[in-house]
Amino acid sequence: AQKVTQAQTEISVVEKEDVTLDCVYETRDTTYYLFWYKQPPSGELVFLIRRNSFDEQNEISGRYSWNFQKSTSSFNFTITASQVVDSAVYFCALSVGTSGTYKYIFGTGTRLKVLA
Amino acid sequence: SAVISQKPSRDICQRGTSLTIQCQVDSQVTMMFWYRQQPGQSLTLIATANQGSEATYESGFVIDKFPISRPNLTFSTLTVSNMSPEDSSIYLCSVDPGTSGGGAVEDTQYFGPGTRLTVL
Repeated sequence: AQKVTQAQTEISVVEKEDVTLDCVYETRDTTYYLFWYKQPPSGELVFLIRRNSFDEQNEISGRYSWNFQKSTSSFNFTITASQVVDSAVYFCALSVGTSGTYKYIFGTGTRLKVLA
Repeated sequence: SAVISQKPSRDICQRGTSLTIQCQVDSQVTMMFWYRQQPGQSLTLIATANQGSEATYESGFVIDKFPISRPNLTFSTLTVSNMSPEDSSIYLCSVDPGTSGGGAVEDTQYFGPGTRLTVL
C-alpha cells in the first residue's frame, strides 16, 4: 500500500522559533518522488520542493531545509526562524506509478500557526 | 511552471443543482487533474483528464456525478452534478507541464487557486 502520514495535525510556534514538520511515507516502488506544498489561507497550493528516491542529500533553500532519510522513510521539513507569513497548511505528497499513469498521494497536512 | 486560473472562485448552491467549474492554464499541457479537498482534509484525486481521451476516474468517483471535459490543451471543466451538502468542498485543478509533454512520475504538478463550493 502507498501512504503518506503527517502525524502532526497542528503546530503553534512563536515567531523566530524553528519548527520541523514530519512526513513518513510508505511505498514498495523503488523509484518515487516526494514533494512538499504550502497552502496559505488563500487556498492555492504552492510547490516548495521535489526529491527523488535516489537522492538523500539534504537541501536548504533560505530558511527552509529538508531532510530525506530512506532508512526511516521520512522526508521532514524544517523552517528556521519562523515568520508569521509561514502560517499555512503544509502537505507532503508521494508520486508513484509509471509514466502516463502516475498519481500523487497526499498526507493529511500539518497546520502551522506562527504567532507574533 | 504554469499559471492556472479557476472559475468560479466560490459558489453557494442549492441541493439538487449542478455546478460547472472551469480551469484555464496559460500553456499547453497534456495532463490535468481534478482534486477534492473536503473541509479540513487532505486532497483526494477525482480524475485525470488528458486531452484527446476520456477522463480516468479514481475509485469512489463516477462520471455521472463528476463529468469532465477536456476540449483542448489549455482548458478543462469539472461538473458537480445533483449536488448534496456532502459535496461541499474545495475543488482544485492541477496541471503537469512536464519536461517531455508531461505524464512522468517525477513531474511537478501546479495547482489552481481552487473553487470553494458550499451546498445548502
